[in-house]
Amino acid sequence: QKEVEQNSGPLSVPEGAIASLNCTYSDRGSQSFFWYRQYSGKSPELIMSIYSNGDKEDGRFTAQLNKASQYVSLLIRDSQPSDSATYLCAVFGAMTTDSWGKLQFGAGTQVVVTP
Amino acid sequence: DGGITQSPKYLFRKEGQNVTLSCEQNLNHDAMYWYRQDPGQGLRLIYYSQIVNDFQKGDIAEGYSVSREKKESFPLTVTSAQKNPTAFYLCASSPGTSLNEQFFGPGTRLTVL
Repeated sequence: QKEVEQNSGPLSVPEGAIASLNCTYSDRGSQSFFWYRQYSGKSPELIMSIYSNGDKEDGRFTAQLNKASQYVSLLIRDSQPSDSATYLCAVFGAMTTDSWGKLQFGAGTQVVVTP
Repeated sequence: DGGITQSPKYLFRKEGQNVTLSCEQNLNHDAMYWYRQDPGQGLRLIYYSQIVNDFQKGDIAEGYSVSREKKESFPLTVTSAQKNPTAFYLCASSPGTSLNEQFFGPGTRLTVL
């Protein structure tokens, strides 16, 4: 079982609609969660970090965390063609595991925003 | 400008050669990381260092070596023992606080000829 799982996509979203990306993780003790955006051929860019249950909003992005269910999601409102990219979910390992000090990455979800 | 720099941007290696990828940061971050990304796959951790003169193996360290003699620098050597080194190599750094955020350099694309 992969430690961090995401749907690979592609997720096709009409311009102006909401893109919803999901991520599940296996390490129950994890406390830090991140979303990165990666354009083709470029390096990942940190767009959201979330540490406590609930929602965190930053501009058109909203991250949602549910530790009891072990999932974290990212909503992109008013999607634009410039949002077309691969979105990586990353989870910081719990202190009690071998993953402490490391980020575990999902394989990423490709989002395609169509005009 | 503060940031993370990696060089070269593209690197070609003949089989049997060792090559060294550079990673420098001027963010005063304590921790630095090396990842490998293959097409259509996520990031895999090669080595990481949380403090100068100390580093730990990641999930795929075989065939790679690192050093951390200065806080700003964390070079990665891809040795001839790495059988399939063609990939996109990414360096990241983190302030080392409880926030655990990591920030990436632009990457080096290595191709074995």
